[in-house]
Amino acid sequence: QKEVEQDPGPLSVPEGAIVSLNCTYSNSAFQYFMWYRQYSRKGPELLMYTYSSGNKEDGRFTAQVDKSSKYISLFIRDSQPSDSATYLCAMIAGNTPLVFGKGTRLSVIA
Amino acid sequence: DAGITQSPRYKITETGRQVTLMCHQTWSHSYMFWYRQDLGHGLRLIYYSAAADITDKGEVPDGYVVSRSKTENFPLTLESATRSQTSVYFCASSPTSGGTETQYFGPGTRLLVL
Repeated sequence: QKEVEQDPGPLSVPEGAIVSLNCTYSNSAFQYFMWYRQYSRKGPELLMYTYSSGNKEDGRFTAQVDKSSKYISLFIRDSQPSDSATYLCAMIAGNTPLVFGKGTRLSVIA
Repeated sequence: DAGITQSPRYKITETGRQVTLMCHQTWSHSYMFWYRQDLGHGLRLIYYSAAADITDKGEVPDGYVVSRSKTENFPLTLESATRSQTSVYFCASSPTSGGTETQYFGPGTRLLVL
């Protein structure tokens, strides 16, 4: 079993829809949880991070962490065509390197 | 230019040749990383470095060599390229190994090994 599992999609939604992206993980030592966004032919860029369990909101984006279920989510409200990208979850325990999910490709159709 | 740069952006080479991918960052970040990204595998860590002259293996180090004589540079060498090393390679840097400090990624190098 991989440390971090993420459905690669692709996921296609109409403009304005609420998008839910998810990752599960197996290592209970993970403490920091991140979401990176990667546009086509570009490097990933950090979108949001959360520490331990709970929710964090930033504009149309909400990140949720449920450590008891080892499950993290990213919600995108009022999705826009500009949100079309690959979204990668990532997590870290202590000073070890980040562990990435495989990424979910999202297309928002106008 | 400020930030993190990679060169070349595109490279075609032949099996058995030595190839060096360059990475340069201007922030004086301590940590630097090399990843490869392949369909179906996502981002996989090849090597990372916590400081000049300190390097460590990641998930898929075989066939690759790194060095870090200066803080700002972290070249990745494929000593004898194989077709399985055809991939997109990303370099990243960070002030720390993780936590609240983000990793900043370069634009990537697309490598094709024939």
